[in-house]
Amino acid sequence: KAGVTQTPRYLIKTRGQQVTLSCSPISGHRSVSWYQQTPGQGLQFLFEYFSETQRNKGNFPGRFSGRQFSNSRSEMNVSTLELGDSALYLCASSSNRGPTDTQYFGPGTRLTVL
Amino acid sequence: SQKIEQNSEALNIQEGKTATLTCNYTNYSPAYLQWYRQDPGRGPVFLLLIRENEKEKRKERLKVTFDTTLKQSLFHITASQPADSATYLCALTNSGYSTLTFGKGTMLLVSP
Repeated sequence: KAGVTQTPRYLIKTRGQQVTLSCSPISGHRSVSWYQQTPGQGLQFLFEYFSETQRNKGNFPGRFSGRQFSNSRSEMNVSTLELGDSALYLCASSSNRGPTDTQYFGPGTRLTVL
Repeated sequence: SQKIEQNSEALNIQEGKTATLTCNYTNYSPAYLQWYRQDPGRGPVFLLLIRENEKEKRKERLKVTFDTTLKQSLFHITASQPADSATYLCALTNSGYSTLTFGKGTMLLVSP
């Protein structure tokens, strides 16, 4: 079974630009969560999608948004990039986002904002 | 606000010894606690889950304890190997479809 894939793996943008990151979950998984990881703050939850609906949202500004498609693939978008948005963005999928479900993480997209 | 604390300093131990990592939390009543391993440049990998009504869980060389009175979990790796060197993250969640809240992780270095 193929794991969670994320594209692109690396991205360099400048302040003010916008970026779209993509995540393909494990086949059959309908829940996709997104996290931001930085050395200072660690892993922070952005949002979670289940069956194309946002089910949970973390404490991030509205510049961060996401969506999920009918095939469970998900994208997240960051508009008006700031230097502080430089981070590793991770997505994780699970079969049905319950508290005991294992979350399977992708390798992440390393975003650098200059 | 909810807070999860893991030792920010790296833990250095010798091969064959038992590594013990700590996860403390405040202002939180988690129903479940999970431990993940993360290698550089990779996403976290799930290791173990323990429920609030379980005191201890084991899986091969791994052992996790969960003390809801102390608000603490201990993660043990027995007979540690250099391949166990990684960052270990604890994560908490409530019941229902709630989010995972992660600690910042502790780096473990096992020297031969």
